[in-house]
Amino acid sequence: SQQGEEDPQALSIQEGENATMNCSYKTSINNLQWYRQNSGRGLVHLILIRSNEREKHSGRLRVTLDTSKKSSSLLITASRAADTASYFCATDFWAWDNYGQNFVFGPGTRLSVLP
Amino acid sequence: KAGVTQTPRYLIKTRGQQVTLSCSPISGHRSVSWYQQTPGQGLQFLFEYFSETQRNKGNFPGRFSGRQFSNSRSEMNVSTLELGDSALYLCASRGEGETQYFGPGTRLLVL
Repeated sequence: SQQGEEDPQALSIQEGENATMNCSYKTSINNLQWYRQNSGRGLVHLILIRSNEREKHSGRLRVTLDTSKKSSSLLITASRAADTASYFCATDFWAWDNYGQNFVFGPGTRLSVLP
Repeated sequence: KAGVTQTPRYLIKTRGQQVTLSCSPISGHRSVSWYQQTPGQGLQFLFEYFSETQRNKGNFPGRFSGRQFSNSRSEMNVSTLELGDSALYLCASRGEGETQYFGPGTRLLVL
């Protein structure tokens, strides 16, 4: 079964508002990463949070990780039209039945920021 | 440093044909991973190569194969193409850290 699941699947907000996306996963992880994808192009790495960290910031991005609940959230503050994209969480975990380290993406959240 | 490059960017093939996609990682990166992205299945891991060896493998049929050269460039091959192979194929390279850096992808359409 899929390791990461984001919600909501789609989110539409006005410019200037904050956007929050959530990610849940099933097994223990080494780290969790968030990526952005614009219109079917390549993924851009946003932020990585390790399993022993609880919160990280990068510019307008804030990521939290709750390993007890196996969940993470990505907050984008003061959103802009240019933030319109799909956002994916990816979990990096060790799986003995697949030769070691695994990297699994969730289905993504489509964010639309309206001007 | 130059980013990850993938060629070709777009490709149209017919069922039964085979295709080879190429990926050049960021200079100094030895790990290259391949992913398939479709609207229905999302992003799925195909395989990872490290120093010319396949280190990790997803749940795809044997029609999907890859290799890595001594300069870390990687190729992915799909034989006997099926309609369902139409997708965006992404490759990502990784250096010493945990972050993967993605290329722009190759969009494959199978008719």
